[in-house]
Amino acid sequence: AIQLTQSPSSLSASVGDRVTLTCRASQDLTSAVAWYQQRPGKVPKLVIYDASSLEVGVPSRFSGSGSGTDFTLTITSLQPEDFATYYCQQLNEYPYTFGPGTKVDVK
Amino acid sequence: DVQLVESGGRVERPGGSLRLSCVASGFTFSEYGMNWVRQGPGRGLEWVAGVFWNGGSPYYADDVKGRFTISRDDAKNSLFLQMDNLRADDTALYYCVRENWDQTFYLDHWGQGTQVIVSS
Repeated sequence: AIQLTQSPSSLSASVGDRVTLTCRASQDLTSAVAWYQQRPGKVPKLVIYDASSLEVGVPSRFSGSGSGTDFTLTITSLQPEDFATYYCQQLNEYPYTFGPGTKVDVK
Repeated sequence: DVQLVESGGRVERPGGSLRLSCVASGFTFSEYGMNWVRQGPGRGLEWVAGVFWNGGSPYYADDVKGRFTISRDDAKNSLFLQMDNLRADDTALYYCVRENWDQTFYLDHWGQGTQVIVSS
């Protein structure tokens, strides 16, 4: 199965900060990567699909980039509602796999 | 609005069986692939199983292969997960998730989840 690593595992940031989360795959995924946001006690929510496409209704401060094995999720000007755990997922081949997540908390 | 409502989770003993159900509404169920994703207590997301829109060959995570069976009934807008030979590490919140496609696949709508606890 394809392995995904995410870095950092956690980061502390302040409202207004720019944050960049990284997801690295054990093999080429082309662009078949999605990012999900999960706030504590809540259902995961799709943020980015196809590596760089913004899901409808997601604020434009979120952006994704990358292809192949290296992907990033960037949040410009972090807002209070953005403090959450972010997971990347590969959907290039079965079994689909998730990364271990990056927790973004308040500095 | 898309709605996915799971049911069937409960406390079960190791080695036992459970059948989870998910009823979908707000979209044409037969046109979408569907998945189960789980999250153990304090843990990350784990993809469990998926089935194509046409009911073609299902796929499973290595951990559940041979023990879990995913199926769908398009006439009832329903997705199922038959879980046999349950283990303690199957304890998790199980989400029913719709799969969409635009150049690549992605999981765009999630249910609220149903809790499975495997304990003696």
